Amino acid sequence: GNSVTQMEGPVTLSEEAFLTINCTYTATGYPSLFWYVQYPGEGLQLLLKATKADDKGSNKGFEATYRKETTSFHLEKGSVQVSDSAVYFCALSDQGAQKLVFGQGTRLTINP
Amino acid sequence: NAGVTQTPKFRVLKTGQSMTLLCAQDMNHEYMYWYRQDPGMGLRLIHYSVGEGTTAKGEVPDGYNVSRLKKQNFLLGLESAAPSQTSVYFCASARLTGVQETQYFGPGTRLLVL
Repeated sequence: GNSVTQMEGPVTLSEEAFLTINCTYTATGYPSLFWYVQYPGEGLQLLLKATKADDKGSNKGFEATYRKETTSFHLEKGSVQVSDSAVYFCALSDQGAQKLVFGQGTRLTINP
Repeated sequence: NAGVTQTPKFRVLKTGQSMTLLCAQDMNHEYMYWYRQDPGMGLRLIHYSVGEGTTAKGEVPDGYNVSRLKKQNFLLGLESAAPSQTSVYFCASARLTGVQETQYFGPGTRLLVL
């Protein structure tokens, strides 16, 4: 079946550092790919998405490119802020009914 | 526009007790979902609904039942709670279109089963 694998966390960085969170997937067909973010005590909210190969999703300085050849959708940000501290989830859309399959999540902490 | 709301926010149950979690959305979305979130495992789909009066099983449906009697509400029931059902439960909703739409999540319900 379809699955998503994210890099192990937690990840701790200093403010203004470069961020990469790796995400790879296994899927049949051509799923859409997503990054969701969960701030402390809140539900998940969409950060960015890409619906086909070579698409780049971007939002709030974060970017991720849908790489079909490497089955990857790595999340990057050039200069992180303390307010980016959260748990980040990579996900793909499963067949039908817009179901999502999530990775295990990566906890990110940014120190001032 | 409240989006997706969940009640209660937190609940403690004893093994064998029953309860119902309520999810409500005011965005007129056709699709609704229940997930559970456990440490190190991301979110896993319990049940989902593609419209009023319809439900389907997700990845981890055992021990749960659901109902969607009204389009805006999606109920998750635990008939006989077990400690393994201690988790954080999230409800989500999405529009029905021809492409993959964003799912909107509620704030979650934290359940502890003793």
